Amino acid sequence: DIQMTQSPSFLSASVGDRVTINCKASQNINKYLDWYQQKLGEAPKLLIYHTNHLHRGIPSRFSGSGSDTDFTLTISSLQPEDVATYFCLQHNSGYTFGAGTMLELK
Amino acid sequence: EVQLVESGGGLVQPGRSLKLSCAASGFTFSDYFMAWVRQAPKKGLEWVATITNTGSRTYYLDSVKGRFTISRDNARSSLYLQMNSLKSEDTATYYCATIAAGDWFAYWGQGTLVTVSS
Repeated sequence: DIQMTQSPSFLSASVGDRVTINCKASQNINKYLDWYQQKLGEAPKLLIYHTNHLHRGIPSRFSGSGSDTDFTLTISSLQPEDVATYFCLQHNSGYTFGAGTMLELK
Repeated sequence: EVQLVESGGGLVQPGRSLKLSCAASGFTFSDYFMAWVRQAPKKGLEWVATITNTGSRTYYLDSVKGRFTISRDNARSSLYLQMNSLKSEDTATYYCATIAAGDWFAYWGQGTLVTVSS
């Protein structure tokens, strides 16, 4: 089974900051990596699919990058509404979610 | 607008059964694979089961194989999860989700909470 190691687990940043969240796969997942945002009490929402494709309606301050085993979600300028938990998901072989990164405002 | 509305959750004793439903609207339900994903309290997400658009093939998490059955009724645009022999570790919010052509979970419902406890 493919394991996903997400870091950091917790992140505190200020409005306007550039924020990066990382996911590392235990083996090559061929860019089959997506990012989801989950606000408190809400369902997860797709942000980025296939490493770097922005889902419809998602602001352009969100971007994704990476390949093979190492992937990054970047928020270019943090906004108050971005406070949430972020998860990565690999679907190269089965489905494995990362443990999540809780993002709060400093 | 895509809408997925889950129902059927609740408190159930270990060993008993429960059936979840997901009503879909805003898209052509019969064109899409569908999945159930769960999230235990204050934990991460875990894929549970997938069904193809015609219902001809199903796939399960190992720990629910033989206990859970995913099914669908395309005429009613509805997805189901029959859960038998429930265990305390099945306690979670269960989400239904659409699976896009590239195999990611494009849209999610709001979830329904299942609590397995005596």
